[in-house]
Amino acid sequence: DIVLTQSPGTLSLSPGERATLSCRASERTSSSYLAWYQQKPGQAPRLLIYGASTRATGIPDRFSGSGSGTDFTLTITRLEPEDFAVYYCQHYGSSPRAFGQGTKVEIK
Amino acid sequence: QLQLQESGPGLVKPSETLSLTCTVSGGSITSTTYYWGWVRQPPGKGLEWIGSVSYAGSPYYTSSLRSRLTISVDTSNNQFSLRLSSVTAADTSVYYCARSIVGATLFDHWSQGTLVTVSS
Repeated sequence: DIVLTQSPGTLSLSPGERATLSCRASERTSSSYLAWYQQKPGQAPRLLIYGASTRATGIPDRFSGSGSGTDFTLTITRLEPEDFAVYYCQHYGSSPRAFGQGTKVEIK
Repeated sequence: QLQLQESGPGLVKPSETLSLTCTVSGGSITSTTYYWGWVRQPPGKGLEWIGSVSYAGSPYYTSSLRSRLTISVDTSNNQFSLRLSSVTAADTSVYYCARSIVGATLFDHWSQGTLVTVSS
């Protein structure tokens, strides 16, 4: 089964800084089926990126996704106060369907 | 505006069956475009996809829960439901229902989530 490993576990940054989050798959996967979600405390996850690089409806362009094969990246170019949250990558589409363990982006 | 709202008991005894219903408003559950799924999150931990169902197709279940799980659609009430049998404390989680826009698990609309605790 594909296992998604996210790094780092926690990212401590200041507002205005750039955030780079990594998601590594245990075996090669189609980039068509890689998504990123944001989750704030007490809230449901929100879809940010799908197909590795396509922003979901209403997602600001400071969020971007890239990657292929086994290595994928979510980049937030300039952190806004509302961006401090936990981010999950996900392999969807065909089995197995899995989430990564999450990266917490916290205020430094 | 699509909305999803789950309902069901917040406390279930060990060995019993956990039952949740998700009511969909602002859209039809009979659309063949979408799947409807369940995701859970143990307190302080990450997300786990449980299973998904569509109006027109068979359900998909995560392998680790398949023997205990049933997900079904009730078109007359625009709802879909989750039944998880023989629960243990490990099933204590926040349970979310959600709509998938690609395949069974690309979720673009989510419910607010409901905490289900398994305890005697």
